[in-house]
Amino acid sequence: TQLLEQSPQFLSIQEGENLTVYCNSSSVFSSLQWYRQEPGEGPVLLVTVVTGGEVKKLKRLTFQFGDARKDSSLHITAAQPGDTGLYLCAGGRGSGGSNYKLTFGKGTLLTVNP
Amino acid sequence: GAGVSQSPRYKVAKRGQDVALRCDPISGHVSLFWYQQALGQGPEFLTYFQNEAQLDKSGLPSDRFFAERPEGSVSTLKIQRTQQEDSAVYLCASRAGRTEAFFGQGTRLTVV
Repeated sequence: TQLLEQSPQFLSIQEGENLTVYCNSSSVFSSLQWYRQEPGEGPVLLVTVVTGGEVKKLKRLTFQFGDARKDSSLHITAAQPGDTGLYLCAGGRGSGGSNYKLTFGKGTLLTVNP
Repeated sequence: GAGVSQSPRYKVAKRGQDVALRCDPISGHVSLFWYQQALGQGPEFLTYFQNEAQLDKSGLPSDRFFAERPEGSVSTLKIQRTQQEDSAVYLCASRAGRTEAFFGQGTRLTVV
């Protein structure tokens, strides 16, 4: 059972466009992580957000954690073909070492066309 | 290498066959996790080790699945009497303390 709903499931855009993908849940998480996964590879962590309302920026990527810690968004500015991949959000419960059982969403498959 | 290494990368098993999937975590990483990722899905938690102790195996789908990490380093996920629904990518991740977990490339298991 997936407790995290990601939307859209698929997104195909042209290079230079902006996009936002969403991760929503009815449950509260102590932290939320965003990963990018390329074909044939394991997920690679992009960011962890832990505080309600928190905004983190990583170059052209902006991540936001909802005030109630139930939802998150990832915004990409001026997308590039290298951004192509499966974007996964994962929620953790507990703190520190107990925060290991991540619940993943199904992911958003992003394709950026040159 | 410096990353998490999994072998084999690909495994084709006949239904009913037993398989063993290996994970070499990053040296010194205390925590090790196994996840199962079905086609078109996100990874789902299977089990968690802290050193050699298996602290959580609540995600293992049936008693045909067994994981071990006898010396607190290399881990093996064993699936007995494989079924078609076991076809998936099996991901291993390791972590030092409370830091980021690093995933391996996964083993793609196809049961025919």
